[in-house]
Amino acid sequence: DAKTTQPPSMDCAEGRAANLPCNHSTISGNEYVYWYRQIHSQGPQYIIHGLKNNETNEMASLIITEDRKSSTLILPHATLRDTAVYYCIVRVPMEYGNKLVFGAGTILRVKS
Amino acid sequence: SQTIHQWPATLVQPVGSPLSLECTVEGTSNPNLYWYRQAAGRGLQLLFYSVGIGQISSEVPQNLSASRPQDRQFILSSKKLLLSDSGFYLCAGGPGRAYEQYFGPGTRLTVT
Repeated sequence: DAKTTQPPSMDCAEGRAANLPCNHSTISGNEYVYWYRQIHSQGPQYIIHGLKNNETNEMASLIITEDRKSSTLILPHATLRDTAVYYCIVRVPMEYGNKLVFGAGTILRVKS
Repeated sequence: SQTIHQWPATLVQPVGSPLSLECTVEGTSNPNLYWYRQAAGRGLQLLFYSVGIGQISSEVPQNLSASRPQDRQFILSSKKLLLSDSGFYLCAGGPGRAYEQYFGPGTRLTVT
């Protein structure tokens, strides 16, 4: 069962920041939040992850609330190529390795 | 970095026929390997994962099985396909540099 809740779709103007919200109110203390995106008919692509602190890399920023019950993925300057399904995922540790629990994701449409 | 190879890209099989999908990993040794299935318009569901040769764990009961005959080879099989086995099958390997999972390009299976 997915441990995250995301809006089904969002629109964003090209060149503007895209802010994608995610709720994960049942997340446990040792579970990381990961973001992936999937362009149609391709395998998911890793974007960013975090535990408590805000994170930034060359693709995006991740803002996690202090209570860790929600987070926001920020694409600072969205382009048409950022149109994809964005998955907010909880990484659940298993006895060996980790499991990514996917929800339905948010369809982000970047429009010119 | 890791590269995940999968083939074929698409496959159409009749009900009751056998299935064998192969996944190979390049660029790392002793990876954790995963098989996911994605139904149309849905998120990914973890089917199997493996932490080493001959070590397979199943997440959900189903008509499928998995094997890992070599360190960087992961195979998904079925003796008799059902209509409900149709979907997009993705192989993943990890952990990556940031403990992410790298996904392959996927195989779209249609059971007719």
